Amino acid sequence: DARVTQTPRHKVTEMGQEVTMRCQPILGHNTVFWYRQTMMQGLELLAYFRNRAPLDDSGMPKDRFSAEMPDATLATLKIQPSEPRDSAVYFCASGLSNSGANVLTFGAGSRLTVL
Amino acid sequence: AQTVTQSQPEMSVQEAETVTLSCTYDTSESDYYLFWYKQPPSRQMILVIRQEAYKQQNATENRFSVNFQKAAKSFSLKISDSQLGDAAMYFCAYRSYPPNFGNEKLTFGTGTRLTIIP
Repeated sequence: DARVTQTPRHKVTEMGQEVTMRCQPILGHNTVFWYRQTMMQGLELLAYFRNRAPLDDSGMPKDRFSAEMPDATLATLKIQPSEPRDSAVYFCASGLSNSGANVLTFGAGSRLTVL
Repeated sequence: AQTVTQSQPEMSVQEAETVTLSCTYDTSESDYYLFWYKQPPSRQMILVIRQEAYKQQNATENRFSVNFQKAAKSFSLKISDSQLGDAAMYFCAYRSYPPNFGNEKLTFGTGTRLTIIP
């Protein structure tokens, strides 16, 4: 089965450190989404790309977060500097735009703990 | 903006019985998609079932079926013959309808934790 690959699976870091999470979308998919999951806020959209172009990053704190797609096989989410409130599970999902429902396939998530 | 509400934070059901999880949503759009995702303890998000709003027929996938009431903006999930492997968080989600390259993001509800009692 095709899958979305996220690294790292787990990351523990100290406040102020830079964190980079990576996502390899399913080959051929042209939409990529970053979601953050916390107990308090549930699943929140951070960023959304179509054909590598950012379309919606309104949910992302711009001062410390950045999301990019250097190429079609890699999406990155960076936090610099990290803060304890960034502790969460970060999901990447990919899909094929305009393919009917554009069903999203999610990665296994990256659990981030900021001490 | 669209919102999705799941009013049952937790549900439990006896193994082999049937359970229904509720979801309501708010939108001004006439065409859209609705989804149920399952998140087991492994935290992997797994698509359970989807419904196109323009289809009147309720979607079914094996033991999973939905009751889609468009006028009431209600989208409940029925799980028949519950199994231990069904234990998970279940998320209802909404998506706008293409093909005008509208926003393709999923808007999620807060989830319902389903426990299966052996």
